[in-house]
Amino acid sequence: DVKVTQSSRYLVKRTGEKVFLECVQDMDHENMFWYRQDPGLGLRLIYFSYDVKMKEKGDIPEGYSVSREKKERFSLILESASTNQTSMYLCASHETSGNTDTQYFGPGTRLTVL
Amino acid sequence: SQQGEEDPQALSIQEGENATMNCSYKTSINNLQWYRQNSGRGLVHLILIRSNEREKHSGRLRVTLDTSKKSSSLLITASRAADTASYFCAFSGGYNKLIFGAGTRLAVHP
Repeated sequence: DVKVTQSSRYLVKRTGEKVFLECVQDMDHENMFWYRQDPGLGLRLIYFSYDVKMKEKGDIPEGYSVSREKKERFSLILESASTNQTSMYLCASHETSGNTDTQYFGPGTRLTVL
Repeated sequence: SQQGEEDPQALSIQEGENATMNCSYKTSINNLQWYRQNSGRGLVHLILIRSNEREKHSGRLRVTLDTSKKSSSLLITASRAADTASYFCAFSGGYNKLIFGAGTRLAVHP
């Protein structure tokens, strides 16, 4: 089974802190994604990566950056956390092969910025 | 916005009843997928239906797709309390990106 893990389930940070959210997948998938989920807004794509060292902006990249130094790891960075970045952050990796076109999600990190 | 729209936003039923959720979208798609999210957890893939398919079944799940109306529905038959979750439709946004709907919150009461 595909496994996607995220470094923390819950995280509390202060305004202005630099925050790192880590995501690791064990299925050698090329595509990985970071979303944030807020009530009533569904999932919104922050950044995605389709290969090592490659990154593309999603719909809401402002205030975020990412790093993909190894295929299995995709990191989301909040350079200077702000209270409006309090949210649930979900990482996913994507499998496209044969009849499969599926995203596999990690358990999520609930970030609170005070 | 490319985001899919789901309705209803919330659905409350009794165990044993069927639950139907609907999704509409605006673009052309290759496939449409449904995901489930238990409270505070990640999403889990349920089923995928391709644009050349009209109906697909998986266990108690039945998905239909009407590309002329740009809509899909997810039917859960004989609901159980364990089906309580949020359900999201998702469709391709290019680059293997998925565009997700806002979700339907389903509550199944024993």
